[in-house]
Amino acid sequence: QIQLVQSGPELKKPGESVKISCKASGYTFTDYAMNWVKQAPGNGLKWMGWINTQTGKPTYADDFKQRFVFSLETSASTAYLQINNLNIEDTATYFCTRHKGGDFDYWGQGVMVTVSS
Amino acid sequence: DVVLTQTPVSLLISLGGQASISCRSSQSLVHSNGNTYLHWYLQKPGQSPQLLIYQVSNRFSGIPDRFSGSGSGTDFTLKISRVEPEDLGVYYCLQRTHNPPTFGGGTKLELK
Repeated sequence: QIQLVQSGPELKKPGESVKISCKASGYTFTDYAMNWVKQAPGNGLKWMGWINTQTGKPTYADDFKQRFVFSLETSASTAYLQINNLNIEDTATYFCTRHKGGDFDYWGQGVMVTVSS
Repeated sequence: DVVLTQTPVSLLISLGGQASISCRSSQSLVHSNGNTYLHWYLQKPGQSPQLLIYQVSNRFSGIPDRFSGSGSGTDFTLKISRVEPEDLGVYYCLQRTHNPPTFGGGTKLELK
């Protein structure tokens, strides 16, 4: 069955970096692009951008162009989100979700990142 | 960016009742290819969003026919009939017609 399994929760201090993973299984990894979505505590969903799993080219939403890096390890069917120079506002749950057509059909379980001094 | 406005923000429904959620877009969601990329999701407490309806009215795999979507252009509706306990959570609409993709603010479905 199709699964996106993300890494575990993270507790970081302001200024540190974090790298979270999203491992895909049950389908051909390069057949679908991978997106990242942020959900701050008690808030709605915000699309962060996507990465082309065939070329590795990332596309970032405007609010996520500065400190955010999408990457791949295609041989391991894994996508990564790295956030540099963390601040309190980065405290959120981060989801990976795939798309080929117009919708995001399968989602990871989410990774809670807490930034606190 | 396209703004999706969901109403109501919260909905109190009795088990077995019917719920209706509206999603209004700040611009038409008809793509140049003729498709309308408006989708509906349910996020149950502590879980990730799950796809219910794609492209306005198509139920995703395994979604019961109690869920139905309709609408066109800028106005869309999700209806849930015979509400069951597992239907509780926050419903979101998502548009992928225009870049960037945007989500509605969410509608929380709770038991009366």
